[in-house]
Amino acid sequence: DTGVSQDPRHKITKRGQNVTFRCDPISEHNRLYWYRQTLGQGPEFLTYFQNEAQLEKSRLLSDRFSAERPKGSFSTLEIQRTEQGDSAMYLCASSPRLGLAYNEQFFGPGTRLTVL
Amino acid sequence: EDKVVQSPLSLVVHEGDTVTLNCSYEVTNFRSLLWYKQEKKAPTFLFMLTSSGIEKKSGRLSSILDKKELFSILNITATQTGDSAVYLCAVHTPLNYGGSQGNLIFGKGTKLSVKP
Repeated sequence: DTGVSQDPRHKITKRGQNVTFRCDPISEHNRLYWYRQTLGQGPEFLTYFQNEAQLEKSRLLSDRFSAERPKGSFSTLEIQRTEQGDSAMYLCASSPRLGLAYNEQFFGPGTRLTVL
Repeated sequence: EDKVVQSPLSLVVHEGDTVTLNCSYEVTNFRSLLWYKQEKKAPTFLFMLTSSGIEKKSGRLSSILDKKELFSILNITATQTGDSAVYLCAVHTPLNYGGSQGNLIFGKGTKLSVKP
């Protein structure tokens, strides 16, 4: 399977704990995106990388959230001191760079986080 | 504040019916409008629209954009039970006007249920 993969698929944690999610994009894609989706809502943009550079961050990305893409390949999203409101599906997407035009984002299966 | 509004939020039809899903938007910097289909997992890409009045078609699905009135519609003809899903509309509106690629703003989606 050469699509976007995410690990773990499900994570249950207690409030106050730290969690880290991993995303492996499609291998030739240099753009990587993180979104959060809660029940009954569309995905909300969190952040975007081009290669290893984090180029955009949403206001939704509080100080407790940090994302990295150290070698321009896989990415991690860490949430510190989790809160119940962090419970959501965290989606990763990747896209190839084709000039400056927008191109399709391919989504991974998501990591469902439940904070008890 | 940028926003994307979809209607209806849910729709129940019978196989063979034709449905029209609506998406209206208000954004500062419009680049393109996208439709995704989301079943019990990650969104999958359907269409990208950048120009008004040009219909995009894929099998029984078609979509068109009106940039003057700021809306798009997604039509599905001769619906099948496999069309049951949440249909998401998203507008690409980069946070940084210099051409970076990050920000998709999603609507809440229209949940379509097709009964046999």
